[in-house]
Amino acid sequence: SQQGEEDPQALSIQEGENATMNCSYKTSINNLQWYRQNSGRGLVHLILIRSNEREKHSGRLRVTLDTSKKSSSLLITASRAADTASYFCATTDSWGKLQFGAGTQVVVTP
Amino acid sequence: GAVVSQHPSWVICKSGTSVKIECRSLDFQATTMFWYRQFPKQSLMLMATSNEGSKATYEQGVEKDKFLINHASLTLSTLTVTSAHPEDSSFYICSAEGAGNRGEAFFGQGTRLTVV
Repeated sequence: SQQGEEDPQALSIQEGENATMNCSYKTSINNLQWYRQNSGRGLVHLILIRSNEREKHSGRLRVTLDTSKKSSSLLITASRAADTASYFCATTDSWGKLQFGAGTQVVVTP
Repeated sequence: GAVVSQHPSWVICKSGTSVKIECRSLDFQATTMFWYRQFPKQSLMLMATSNEGSKATYEQGVEKDKFLINHASLTLSTLTVTSAHPEDSSFYICSAEGAGNRGEAFFGQGTRLTVV
């Protein structure tokens, strides 16, 4: 069964705008990761945030983690057309098993 | 980051035949490899977890006799879809995790399987 639920399911924005997507999960985690997937391609790892971290930055990406609410958010700032993709959160439990959310489809129009 | 190579990228096969997909970690030793499948516009579903030298652990609902997984070395795992049927058509992705990067999995580029 899916561990994470993401919202929104789809997001359409214009270049230059920020894109925010959220992920909620149900059980205790060791860490949470965000991935990007271009249509028909494999996953690309974006960022990993550990359960004892609250916020992490990588380039134009900002990830937050709230373990009390069992939720995480991914913010893409100053979006570009090349950011068009599906974004997935994935949680890792103490056994190392990854569970993926349903994903958010992001479309960035020029 | 670490590189995982998956082969082939796409394959078309006839119903009833078997297809083997390879997943290789190119620059690290993968103590654990994971196999996922993804239907169009859906998320990845974990099929099985394999540790080098031991039998794979399958997720509930995944037929182990149909999806044969072999993790014979620290750099190679294979998934064989036996007696493939059109409903097995899907995108299959592997990921690998090494002892030095626990909790961070590196993904192959995926294999698009079409069974006709």
